[in-house]
Amino acid sequence: EPEVTQTPSHQVTQMGQEVILRCVPISNHLYFYWYRQILGQKVEFLVSFYNNEISEKSEIFDDQFSVERPDGSNFTLKIRSTKLEDSAMYFCASSGRAGGTSTDTQYFGPGTRLTVL
Amino acid sequence: AQKVTQAQTEISVVEKEDVTLDCVYETRDTTYYLFWYKQPPSGELVFLIRRNSFDEQNEISGRYSWNFQKSTSSFNFTITASQVVDSAVYFCALSVLSGAGSYQLTFGKGTKLSVIP
Repeated sequence: EPEVTQTPSHQVTQMGQEVILRCVPISNHLYFYWYRQILGQKVEFLVSFYNNEISEKSEIFDDQFSVERPDGSNFTLKIRSTKLEDSAMYFCASSGRAGGTSTDTQYFGPGTRLTVL
Repeated sequence: AQKVTQAQTEISVVEKEDVTLDCVYETRDTTYYLFWYKQPPSGELVFLIRRNSFDEQNEISGRYSWNFQKSTSSFNFTITASQVVDSAVYFCALSVLSGAGSYQLTFGKGTKLSVIP
């Protein structure tokens, strides 16, 4: 069964460093998302991406964040200058098969745990 | 704005007991989707079920059942004859179509279920 994959599973970085979190969505999906979950808290929407551009972003997704689909398979989240409060689990999700709609269920990757020291 | 409330923060049951996880949602949209996801200790988010706002039929899948009631804006989840493997955090989530044409999930804070052998 196809699944969303994410690398790395755990990233440790120093405050102020740039990090890139990588995701490979399910291959025939068209809509891509990033969410984050601060330890012990609820999952929060960051950004949605469709047709090579951002569809929507939350207030969390400020200028320090960017997303990119550099090729036909990867979807990345970059944090330019990490802060302590960026420490969280970051989930990638994808949905929407060609011929379907974005209402199709979002399937999540296993997450990347980001620790900012 | 959308809101999902899971009033039960933590629940403990003894194995083989039945348990119901509550979810109450708020939205002004008439078309929306409701979801339950399971987050086991390993951290990934596992999709369990999706319902749309026009389908109030209850659903049963093995030991799992869901009760959707629009009149009370609730989408409750019952596990029958609980097992230790059911121990996890369970998230209820809501999605609506945004003005930008994408769907984003609004999650509740989750209910941590512990099933004691």
